[in-house]
Amino acid sequence: ETGVTQSPTHLIKTRGQQVTLRCSSQSGHNTVSWYQQALGQGPQFIFQYYREEENGRGNFPPRFSGLQFPNYSSELNVNALELDDSALYLCASSLAGHSYEQYFGPGTRLTVT
Amino acid sequence: DAKTTQPPSMDCAEGRAANLPCNHSTISGNEYVYWYRQIHSQGPQYIIHGLKNNETNEMASLIITEDRKSSTLILPHATLRDTAVYYCIVRVVSGGSNYKLTFGKGTLLTVNP
Repeated sequence: ETGVTQSPTHLIKTRGQQVTLRCSSQSGHNTVSWYQQALGQGPQFIFQYYREEENGRGNFPPRFSGLQFPNYSSELNVNALELDDSALYLCASSLAGHSYEQYFGPGTRLTVT
Repeated sequence: DAKTTQPPSMDCAEGRAANLPCNHSTISGNEYVYWYRQIHSQGPQYIIHGLKNNETNEMASLIITEDRKSSTLILPHATLRDTAVYYCIVRVVSGGSNYKLTFGKGTLLTVNP
């Protein structure tokens, strides 16, 4: 148990719809990162938030967006869902200045039909 | 971040040491070697990291060659619960908050009874 929680656990959406995934960071952590993991692949970095600002972004289109709240919880929003968006979405929290360890949540399994 | 190369799969007998290799021949002087593992359907878990010295913690040992072009993760007494995908990641550690992790496909370690 890392103390990082994600909701929902599973989600089924239809192509073209929008989805919001949620992450609650480990207590005291002020940085959150989101990753997408397709079946059989390693996680791919989507973006990171630090003190409510986006602090780095991977190779994902603008329809992937996020928010970080004052309590450091976070949301990942995906608009205009495509079939290829079906994946496990992971969030990871960390404490700025402590660079070696990220704590991952269990993930949200998104299926787009 | 430098690229890493790992074997796609390895087997190990329960109770024996598991030695997982990683090549990172293009590693730069300021890049650290990290290891994470992902047990099926869970989020990745941090194991260990190092720069150039060998490191040991309660989970594993990390041996980095003198030229830093390769490393080995050692699980001294593998158990069935160590069956997982193991990721070797090389990244720069900066003073900022950008903790992007670049995952490859990793090594699937199967511990057999």
